Amino acid sequence: QQQVKQSPQSLIVQKGGISIINCAYENTAFDYFPWYQQFPGKGPALLIAIRPDVSEKKEGRFTISFNKSAKQFSLHIMDSQPGDSATYFCAALQRGAGSYQLTFGKGTKLSVIP
Amino acid sequence: EAGVTQFPSHSVIEKGQTVTLRCDPISGHDNLYWYRRVMGKEIKFLLHFVKESKQDESGMPNNRFLAERTGGTYSTLKVQPAELEDSGVYFCASSQVNDRGGNTIYFGEGSWLTVV
Repeated sequence: QQQVKQSPQSLIVQKGGISIINCAYENTAFDYFPWYQQFPGKGPALLIAIRPDVSEKKEGRFTISFNKSAKQFSLHIMDSQPGDSATYFCAALQRGAGSYQLTFGKGTKLSVIP
Repeated sequence: EAGVTQFPSHSVIEKGQTVTLRCDPISGHDNLYWYRRVMGKEIKFLLHFVKESKQDESGMPNNRFLAERTGGTYSTLKVQPAELEDSGVYFCASSQVNDRGGNTIYFGEGSWLTVV
C-alpha cells in the first residue's frame, strides 16, 4: 500500500517555465510534508517543507501548495533552470512516540532543457 | 561541518554472502535513520535510533537485517545472508531536534548494494 502517491514520474520543462509536481497522501496523521531534491550520486537534500496548518509556503523560486481537505500537496518551481534538473521526492512525516518516520513518494525526474 | 558519511559507496556481493554498511552521522546528532530504495520503488524507512537505542524498527524487512549503533555514534547495517531482492541503495540519515521542535533530517549519499 503506497501511502504517498507522486506524479508525474518524469517531467520535461523548458528553461524559464513552471515545473509542477503533485503528491497525494492517505494517512491523516501525517503532520509534516517535506520535499527533497536529489542529484545523481548524491543523497536526498531537504528543499522545502510545510506543516498542515499552512496552505502555502514559498522559498525563492520554490513554492509548496497544500490542500488539507483534499489530502494533496504540490511543488511549484518557478522560472525553472537547467540546474534544477534532478529527482524530486515528496514525503510525509508522522511523529509518534518519539519516532520520526518519513514516507516517500516514488520520485519525479525533472529535466529542464535550455 | 561534515555531513552524513556512508561506506562503502558501492558493493557487489554474491547471494548468500554478508555485507556490512557503515554510517557516520553528523556530529552531535542523536537521531540516526536507515532507509533504502529498491529499484523502481520509493525510498522506504527501515529503522530509527535515538543515541544507541532502537526507537523504531518497524521497517526492517526480516531478520536477515541487523542494525547496531554502539556508543550512540556510528551505525552499521548488516545483511546476512544477502538475497537478490536486497539490491538497492541504502541511505543513512541523521537529525537533531532543535529548541523549537524542528527536526531537519539530513541524508548521506547512500551505499549502493548489488547482490548477484
